[in-house]
Amino acid sequence: EPEVTQTPSHQVTQMGQEVILRCVPISNHLYFYWYRQILGQKVEFLVSFYNNEISEKSEIFDDQFSVERPDGSNFTLKIRSTKLEDSAMYFCASGDRSNEKLFFGSGTQLSVL
Amino acid sequence: QKEVEQNSGPLSVPEGAIASLNCTYSDRGSQSFFWYRQYSGKSPELIMFIYSNGDKEDGRFTAQLNKASQYVSLLIRDSQPSDSATYLCAVSGNTPLVFGKGTRLSVIA
Repeated sequence: EPEVTQTPSHQVTQMGQEVILRCVPISNHLYFYWYRQILGQKVEFLVSFYNNEISEKSEIFDDQFSVERPDGSNFTLKIRSTKLEDSAMYFCASGDRSNEKLFFGSGTQLSVL
Repeated sequence: QKEVEQNSGPLSVPEGAIASLNCTYSDRGSQSFFWYRQYSGKSPELIMFIYSNGDKEDGRFTAQLNKASQYVSLLIRDSQPSDSATYLCAVSGNTPLVFGKGTRLSVIA
């Protein structure tokens, strides 16, 4: 069964450093998303991406965040200068229709020290 | 601000019983409704979706939707210890899925 894959599973970084989280969405999906979940809190939308551009972003997705689809398979989330409050589980998701059933990757646990 | 509300639980049910999980949402324009299961430390897993008022059954799971009351529920029949997890309600319209905080379900053997 096709699945969304994410790497790395864990990332530890120092405050102020740049991190790149990587995702390979399901191959025939066209809509890509990043969500995050701070420990004990709800899953929060960050950004959606379609046709090589951002379709929607939340207030969390400020200038420190960027997304890219550098090739036909990868979808990345970059945090330019990490803050302590960026520590969370980051989930990539993909779907074959806009804002419909989403399938999530296993997540990257980001710890900012 | 679109909100999705769920009782955080924990909801404890004995093995074999029916577990009933509830969710309300604030945006009347919402069109699609989803239930995800999330085991501790894992990612959300889609288990049910519903678009129209009424009931939708899939195996031991039944999703119920009442758009007039802005209410979605999930019934799990013959609950098993392996059903112990957090159940997330998610809602979308023309915007990305908004999640509730989830209800933690504990099925006691």
